[in-house]
Amino acid sequence: AQKITQTQPGMFVQEKEAVTLDCTYDTSDPSYGLFWYKQPSSGEMIFLIYQGSYDQQNATEGRYSLNFQKARKSANLVISASQLGDSAMYFCAMREGLNYGGSQGNLIFGKGTKLSVKP
Amino acid sequence: DAGITQSPRHKVTETGTPVTLRCHQTENHRYMYWYRQDPGHGLRLIHYSYGVKDTDKGEVSDGYSVSRSKTEDFLLTLESATSSQTSVYFCAISETGVEGYTFGSGTRLTVV
Repeated sequence: AQKITQTQPGMFVQEKEAVTLDCTYDTSDPSYGLFWYKQPSSGEMIFLIYQGSYDQQNATEGRYSLNFQKARKSANLVISASQLGDSAMYFCAMREGLNYGGSQGNLIFGKGTKLSVKP
Repeated sequence: DAGITQSPRHKVTETGTPVTLRCHQTENHRYMYWYRQDPGHGLRLIHYSYGVKDTDKGEVSDGYSVSRSKTEDFLLTLESATSSQTSVYFCAISETGVEGYTFGSGTRLTVV
């Protein structure tokens, strides 16, 4: 079974509008972290935002926020006021076993969502 | 910048030849990783290292080997390249293994 599922291969959004990118995950570990990365056409992987499984509040970083619904095992990325520069691939990732140190679990990625921002 | 470089950035090689990709970091981070990225698959872990001479396999390790003789260098070797290993290879580093990783710029490898 896939650990990370991103069901939207591609999405369009109008400039200045908000957009939500979906991510669901599968784990039985109570201690895990969820990450979102952006990959523009230039190819580099850019870290956007992090949510820990025990965090009480949803993570926010500027225009990025993470809608964390633990019971539903979802960690959707919300981008407010989209900009043309937001056009990119977006990857959701999870790391399990946060209690056990680095060697116990590695970052597992979803297949990504390609976001296109229309002017 | 995070101080992680990959070399070469691009390489074309023939089937059956050995290939070594290099990842070099200046951050003195303990953990280093090799991923491959293919359309429709996202990023998949090949091998990782949790210290000098300490390495382990990831999800797609067949056909690949790694070595880490120094903290700063993590080498990925394709012993006999195949067309299925045509991909973009990313190296990543992490200080504790718990926080998010920092990625290199990637190596585009084409096996013909």
